[in-house]
Amino acid sequence: ETGVTQSPTHLIKTRGQQVTLRCSSQSGHNTVSWYQQALGQGPQFIFQYYREEENGRGNFPPRFSGLQFPNYSSELNVNALELDDSALYLCASSLGTVRGQETQYFGPGTRLLVL
Amino acid sequence: SQQGEEDPQALSIQEGENATMNCSYKTSINNLQWYRQNSGRGLVHLILIRSNEREKHSGRLRVTLDTSKKSSSLLITASRAADTASYFCATDEAGKSTFGDGTTLTVKP
Repeated sequence: ETGVTQSPTHLIKTRGQQVTLRCSSQSGHNTVSWYQQALGQGPQFIFQYYREEENGRGNFPPRFSGLQFPNYSSELNVNALELDDSALYLCASSLGTVRGQETQYFGPGTRLLVL
Repeated sequence: SQQGEEDPQALSIQEGENATMNCSYKTSINNLQWYRQNSGRGLVHLILIRSNEREKHSGRLRVTLDTSKKSSSLLITASRAADTASYFCATDEAGKSTFGDGTTLTVKP
């Protein structure tokens, strides 16, 4: 158990809808990163939040957006869902320092299916 | 394109044998991390090795890092059936972590 929780565990949406995924970070961590993992592939970095500010973004369109709250929990929002958005969405919390990011601890993921 | 690429893509060994997986990356890094993932679940962190370190051990795991060759290896000694999983390396640079597509390890009892 990493102490990182995600909700919901599974979700089914239809194309064009919007979805919000949630992540509670491990106690003491100030950084949350979100990843998309398609079947048979490695996780793809979506973005990272450090102390409520976006701290890096991968190659994802603007319809993928996020938030980090004062308690360092986070949300991932995806608008105008497409079939290719079907994937496992992982969040990871870590302690960000001036040297960079320390060990990331992953949650169990949210499996999203877009029909 | 992927920063980290694992090799081989799949590896099948007998229980008790050693398993070696390799990872190559393209740009300068702050650190490199290895993870394990069991069948569609969350990733479990195994080892973090910093750019100024060359080797690290944790139990049956040994990780090496060669920054001149931009490569890392993960050795699992005396493998067990429970080690069956996908293994990923991830590089960390400027707030962004990049994963490869992993090595799928199967350990036969």
